[in-house]
Amino acid sequence: DVQLTQSPSFLSASVGDRVTITCRASRDIDNFFAWYQQKPGKVPELLISAASTLQSGVPSRFSGRGSGTEFTLTITSLQPEDSATYYCQCLDSYILHFGAGTKVEIK
Amino acid sequence: EVQVVQSAAELKRPGQSLKISCEGSGFLFLDSWIAWVRQRPGEGLEWLGIIYAGDSDARYSPAFRGQVTMSVDASINTAYLHLDSLTTSDTAMYFCARRASNVAGTPFDSWGQGTRVTVSS
Repeated sequence: DVQLTQSPSFLSASVGDRVTITCRASRDIDNFFAWYQQKPGKVPELLISAASTLQSGVPSRFSGRGSGTEFTLTITSLQPEDSATYYCQCLDSYILHFGAGTKVEIK
Repeated sequence: EVQVVQSAAELKRPGQSLKISCEGSGFLFLDSWIAWVRQRPGEGLEWLGIIYAGDSDARYSPAFRGQVTMSVDASINTAYLHLDSLTTSDTAMYFCARRASNVAGTPFDSWGQGTRVTVSS
């Protein structure tokens, strides 16, 4: 069974900072790898699919990279509205796995 | 427009059962995979299971196997999540999410609004 280890669990950064969240899988993942943003009381929103494909309407400051066992989500210039919890997700043999989440706080 | 709409909030007693619905519109429901995800208050996302609307092929998370049953009524574009033997630890927001096809890389891109379930005596 695949384990996803997401880090950090919390980060605090200033507006304009570049932040990176990492998700490591316990074994190689096919190209089903996604990142979601969830704001308090809201539905998770898909940001990136297939590790690096930005979804329509998602600001270009968000980007995803990675393959195999290591994946990253980068926000190049953090904005106040980016305050949220971010989750990584993979689908492996019809089993869906989520990372534990990274809470991003704006200083 | 793709829409996924879930049934309303539920208040249940411990030991009771629950059925939540997830209705899709604006897409070919029969080609879709529907995942069920829950989120306990203040916690992360947990996967319960996934079902293919075309033939009701279902896969369950080992953590929920035996307590959870998923089904589909394709005639009304609706998926269901049934939970048995509820306990207070099942208090959570339950989400359904659609995957348009089984093509590699296709994400779960449309989520229902969530169904809040409260289990309390």
